[in-house]
Amino acid sequence: AAGVIQSPRHLIKEKRETATLKCYPIPRHDTVYWYQQGPGQDPQFLISFYEKMQSDKGSIPDRFSAQQFSDYHSELNMSSLELGDSALYFCASSLEGLAQETQYFGPGTRLLVL
Amino acid sequence: KNQVEQSPQSLIILEGKNCTLQCNYTVSPFSNLRWYKQDTGRGPVSLTIMTFSENTKSNGRYTATLDADTKQSSLHITASQLSDSASYICVVSAGGTASKLTFGTGTRLQVTL
Repeated sequence: AAGVIQSPRHLIKEKRETATLKCYPIPRHDTVYWYQQGPGQDPQFLISFYEKMQSDKGSIPDRFSAQQFSDYHSELNMSSLELGDSALYFCASSLEGLAQETQYFGPGTRLLVL
Repeated sequence: KNQVEQSPQSLIILEGKNCTLQCNYTVSPFSNLRWYKQDTGRGPVSLTIMTFSENTKSNGRYTATLDADTKQSSLHITASQLSDSASYICVVSAGGTASKLTFGTGTRLQVTL
């Protein structure tokens, strides 16, 4: 079965640079979530989109923005990168964005900021 | 503050043995509880999801229990395999949307020969 696809899988950037992470949800899933997971920490919810509209917002820094496109893929744009942004960034998808719907996680993008 | 605590923090068992992981939560209101398996550097994979009215749910060698009165859940792994080595994360939903999910910090399980 098709899973959530994230690209790139690994990314190295320098401070103050920008990065764009992409997420392709499971076919027919209409909701996308972004999480940030630091080393040894649990995933922190950043933002979610349902039917191309922002549906919920968590601890996403103002330097980050995201959107969901007409084909339901989503991009997380990160600007003015800081060392502390180094983490695993997960995308998850589900149907209808309801809490009882299982979120299927992608493999993650490992971002390293030098 | 909503919290999810898991124990033990880490666990080492021999292949073939059983083990039980614990999850205590103080999330309110309660909607559902999920157990995820997360391999190092990979995304979490859902194992089970239970609502308030469900006491137990199985997925192969994984069996989760839920006591909504005491706000406790357990994940029992039977006949462990080397591939079970991973972090197991308990996630509790307060309902609504994703921002209402509270993640536990996980139990790191290592299965050895």
